[in-house]
Amino acid sequence: EVQLVESGGGLVKPGGSLRLSCAASGFTFSSYTMNWVRQAPGKGLEWVSSIDSSSSYIYYADSLKGRFTISRDNAQNSLYLQMNSLRAEDTAVYYCARAPYHMDVWGNGTTVTVSS
Amino acid sequence: EIVMTQSPVTLSVSPGERATLSCRASQSVSSHLAWYQQKPGQAPRLLIYGTSTRATGIPARFSGSGSGTEFTLTISSLQSEDFAVYYCQEYNNWPTFTFGPGTKVDIK
Repeated sequence: EVQLVESGGGLVKPGGSLRLSCAASGFTFSSYTMNWVRQAPGKGLEWVSSIDSSSSYIYYADSLKGRFTISRDNAQNSLYLQMNSLRAEDTAVYYCARAPYHMDVWGNGTTVTVSS
Repeated sequence: EIVMTQSPVTLSVSPGERATLSCRASQSVSSHLAWYQQKPGQAPRLLIYGTSTRATGIPARFSGSGSGTEFTLTISSLQSEDFAVYYCQEYNNWPTFTFGPGTKVDIK
């Protein structure tokens, strides 16, 4: 079964850091571009970042202003998102998604809450 | 930067009726348009990609059409499990993406 499972979310104070992980199984992880997408409470979907299969090409949403870093470990079938200088507006459910072009497989998400 | 808009914000439909959702791009995205369904507390699910191709396991009552800047998702006969929020997404500049704000389909 093709599956993505996120972890690492939690409560963090403003200015703090958090590292999210996404474990992939059931497909050849190293062949796919992967993404992070977030959804603030009661809001729509926002694309955050993409990384190609070999980590050669990395893209971020302009709104992140260099605070987030995406990475992957193909040997471990894992995707990561390092989030620094967190703000209240980063509070959201963070999803990882596989994207051969469209996003065809999604994880169930991990919740990040930024609050003092 | 491509901006996606969706209309209406909310669509109230009776079970068995037809629902038509619209999505507009601020510039042409060719046919690189996908639709997703999201139910409360769940992750989004891919419905349609390439404007009109149904994803695996998606019922035939879901259909997509359009090109360039104007797109439509049609649900031919709404079932109870179809009441949800629907998002369009462009991937013309893959691997960067833009989502529309969503249309909520609720029970009339």
